[in-house]
Amino acid sequence: DIQMTQSPSLLSASVGDRVTINCKASQNINKYLNWYQQKLGEAPKLLIYNTNNLQTGIPSRFSGSGSGTDYTLTISSLQPEDFGTYFCFQHNSWPLTFGSGTKLEIK
Amino acid sequence: EVQLVESGGGLVQPGRSLKLSCAASGFTFSDYYMAWVRQAPTKGLEWVASISYDGGSTYYRDSVKGRFTISRDNAKSSLYLQMDSLRSEDTATYYCTTGGNWGQGVMVTVSS
Repeated sequence: DIQMTQSPSLLSASVGDRVTINCKASQNINKYLNWYQQKLGEAPKLLIYNTNNLQTGIPSRFSGSGSGTDYTLTISSLQPEDFGTYFCFQHNSWPLTFGSGTKLEIK
Repeated sequence: EVQLVESGGGLVQPGRSLKLSCAASGFTFSDYYMAWVRQAPTKGLEWVASISYDGGSTYYRDSVKGRFTISRDNAKSSLYLQMDSLRSEDTATYYCTTGGNWGQGVMVTVSS
C-alpha cells in the first residue's frame, strides 16, 4: 500500500500569508494526487486534481505542484474562509489512500 | 446540479448487516467510477471501495474485503454498499463520491 505522509498536521497562519502543505508518497504516484478541503460537519471539497488542476469554482489562490513522490498545496494569500482540514489523496494505485490531514487555523 | 444523496445508515449491532444507498442526479452516472469513503468520528478520511463504470470491476480496502460489497445500478443512477459482519471499527460517516462530487454522508454506528 502507498503511504501518504502529510505535513504539517497543524498550521496556524494569518490572513494574507502564503501557506504550503506537503504530502509525500511512499512511492511514485505519477501525479495522481488530489487535494481536498473539509470543514467541520461538512463533506470534503475537491480543490486540486491530478497535482495541479484547479477544480471549477475554486479560487485561483489555491495551486498545486509536485511530481514523483513529493507534492505541495499552496494558498498564495490566506483568506478567513480557508480554515479547515486539508487532505491529500493518491489515486494512482489500489488501495487508494489519503494523507492524515492538515488542520489550518487562522490566527 | 450534481447531487449525491446517501441513505440507509443507522445503529446496528456487531455482526449484523446494513445496506447503504446513494442516489445520484445531475450528471451521467454511468460515465463515472464511484466510491465509498468513510470517516470515523474525529478521524481522517479512509477510502473503502470503488466500482468501475459498468460494475465489472470492484476494489476494496483489505479491512472490508469479504465483508462489504459495492454495486451499482446505472439504470437507476444508484450506488450501493452492502455491509455484512459489521464491527465496531466500521463506525463512521460514509460518503458516496465521484472524487469530485460528494454526498452529505450517512452515519453508521456499530454498537451493542
